[in-house]
Amino acid sequence: DAKTTQPNSMESNEEEPVHLPCNHSTISGTDYIHWYRQLPSQGPEYVIHGLTSNVNNRMASLAIAEDRKSSTLILHRATLRDAAVYYCIPTGNQFYFGTGTSLTVIP
Amino acid sequence: DAGITQSPRHKVTETGTPVTLRCHQTENHRYMYWYRQDPGHGLRLIHYSYGVKDTDKGEVSDGYSVSRSKTEDFLLTLESATSSQTSVYFCAISNRRGNTFYGYTFGSGTRLTVV
Repeated sequence: DAKTTQPNSMESNEEEPVHLPCNHSTISGTDYIHWYRQLPSQGPEYVIHGLTSNVNNRMASLAIAEDRKSSTLILHRATLRDAAVYYCIPTGNQFYFGTGTSLTVIP
Repeated sequence: DAGITQSPRHKVTETGTPVTLRCHQTENHRYMYWYRQDPGHGLRLIHYSYGVKDTDKGEVSDGYSVSRSKTEDFLLTLESATSSQTSVYFCAISNRRGNTFYGYTFGSGTRLTVV
């Protein structure tokens, strides 16, 4: 299974865009790239996923590098409710979480 | 929402006793998963199931067993609980409807304390 590297923590000012990076250099050709987030005292929550091309939904955008060895989750305007741990997960049928990136949003 | 519930939400048990955690889903999803979460480790996969009576091990399966006798229920059993199994346990399902994948949906978690 592909391993991931994410920064342990990041900060952002409220209302500003946030770019959360993830390296997954050993990803296989058929693995999707998933992003989840976990708010304090809750279970993880699906954010977005993609395979090769960039993806957008109401929560975020996902930019995938052409070689698929890295991806970036983009929150267009951070709010205080976006403060969470964000996990990047390349996956087939199994799901392996790392320790993720803890995002702090500063009012 | 995928309709996934975990029970109990909290449990305190003594070392050496058996414990069973239940995950229940209402929408007939094929894949179900059990994770544990400990400080500094993120979530780690214990076991997963890809159908009734079809299960496989994850990365931290020692000391745990699972059963899936019907689609809607995935049970996690600690045969003889140890203090190292004090953790928060999450169940998850792979949320698909037809050919559309909506992501993985997680339950609210079970906080287990082994004393």
